[in-house]
Amino acid sequence: DQQVKQNSPSLSVQEGRISILNCDYTNSMFDYFLWYKKYPAEGPTFLISISSIKDKNEDGRFTVFLNKSAKHLSLHIVPSQPGDSAVYFCAASANYGGATNKLIFGTGTLLAVQP
Amino acid sequence: DTGVSQDPRHKITKRGQNVTFRCDPISEHNRLYWYRQTLGQGPEFLTYFQNEAQLEKSRLLSDRFSAERPKGSFSTLEIQRTEQGDSAMYLCASSAGTHEGKLFFGSGTQLSVL
Repeated sequence: DQQVKQNSPSLSVQEGRISILNCDYTNSMFDYFLWYKKYPAEGPTFLISISSIKDKNEDGRFTVFLNKSAKHLSLHIVPSQPGDSAVYFCAASANYGGATNKLIFGTGTLLAVQP
Repeated sequence: DTGVSQDPRHKITKRGQNVTFRCDPISEHNRLYWYRQTLGQGPEFLTYFQNEAQLEKSRLLSDRFSAERPKGSFSTLEIQRTEQGDSAMYLCASSAGTHEGKLFFGSGTQLSVL
């Protein structure tokens, strides 16, 4: 059962335009959502996160939006740059009752930013 | 500020052989995680340590897999009698246990079983 889903395997955008990456989840117990970026042959690196009690978090060119009723979140990158080309993973964690606090990852979206 | 380091970066082995990977977490982090990633998939949780105690193991972790963190610092992941299906990127991550659950990942060990 895939608790975190990224239905778009790939996305191509022009440099300077907005990139929107989407993520859906099924477990209503998730209380934090994180985005990671991964380059080939490297481990994932943390990008931005959002608590389930918020609906928006912004950090420079990156903004994450959370719609709890729809169990949906999105990552907006604006303006997109060629260096943003990577695989982006959505992840969620549940921190209740002494839980492990492990991250559950989606399958990733490959973003290609064209110069 | 050293990050999470993993050794080796690449491992090629023949089916049936045993392999061992090492992970050195960020020094002040008490939580350590192992994940596995195959092509086209996201990282999948394998196991978790808090200090030296192994507190959770995924159903993905068959009896051929064993992980240790003997002194609460570095960790090893051993796979016995490797199978071709074990071919994957094995990722180690560490955490200070913040509420958001942010993990810091190493570069991974790419295992190829021939």
